[in-house]
Amino acid sequence: KAGVTQTPRYLIKTRGQQVTLSCSPISGHRSVSWYQQTPGQGLQFLFEYFSETQRNKGNFPGRFSGRQFSNSRSEMNVSTLELGDSALYLCASSLGVLRDTEAFFGQGTRLTVV
Amino acid sequence: DAKTTQPNSMESNEEEPVHLPCNHSTISGTDYIHWYRQLPSQGPEYVIHGLTSNVNNRMASLAIAEDRKSSTLILHRATLRDAAVYYCILRGGSNYKLTFGKGTLLTVNP
Repeated sequence: KAGVTQTPRYLIKTRGQQVTLSCSPISGHRSVSWYQQTPGQGLQFLFEYFSETQRNKGNFPGRFSGRQFSNSRSEMNVSTLELGDSALYLCASSLGVLRDTEAFFGQGTRLTVV
Repeated sequence: DAKTTQPNSMESNEEEPVHLPCNHSTISGTDYIHWYRQLPSQGPEYVIHGLTSNVNNRMASLAIAEDRKSSTLILHRATLRDAAVYYCILRGGSNYKLTFGKGTLLTVNP
């Protein structure tokens, strides 16, 4: 069974540009979450989608947005990139959104903003 | 979100058992205790989770204190591949999101 696939794996963007990252969950999984990981702040929750609806959102500015499609694939978008947005962006998929459900993470997309 | 406290780092020798502690004194009755680990240059990987009873799987064991205010992840025979950051997370509350702390960096010596 294929795991969580994130594309692209690496990305370099210029300050002020926007970027879209993609996540394909494990087949059958309907929940997708996004996390940002930086050396200073660690792993921080961005948002979670279930059946195309955003269920939760972390404390990030409105420049960070996401969506989920009917096939459960998800995208996240960051507009007006800042140097501080350089990070590893991780996507996780789960069967559901119950508190006893395990999450499966992808390898992440390494975004560098210059 | 209920908070967890873990040691910043621990060291072990290969093929020896490792006990990784986690304190969660403000845990609520419906919070599940989850453990994830992150190997270098990889995304986090699920290890184990439990509610009240001790749990075992092919990767590890989870021992939960009777009052649920602490738990211990047990790796029965550490290998070099177990060197990672281990995160203890409480999943519950109103939105069930995974809130990662700093975790414990486990070093395994050959």
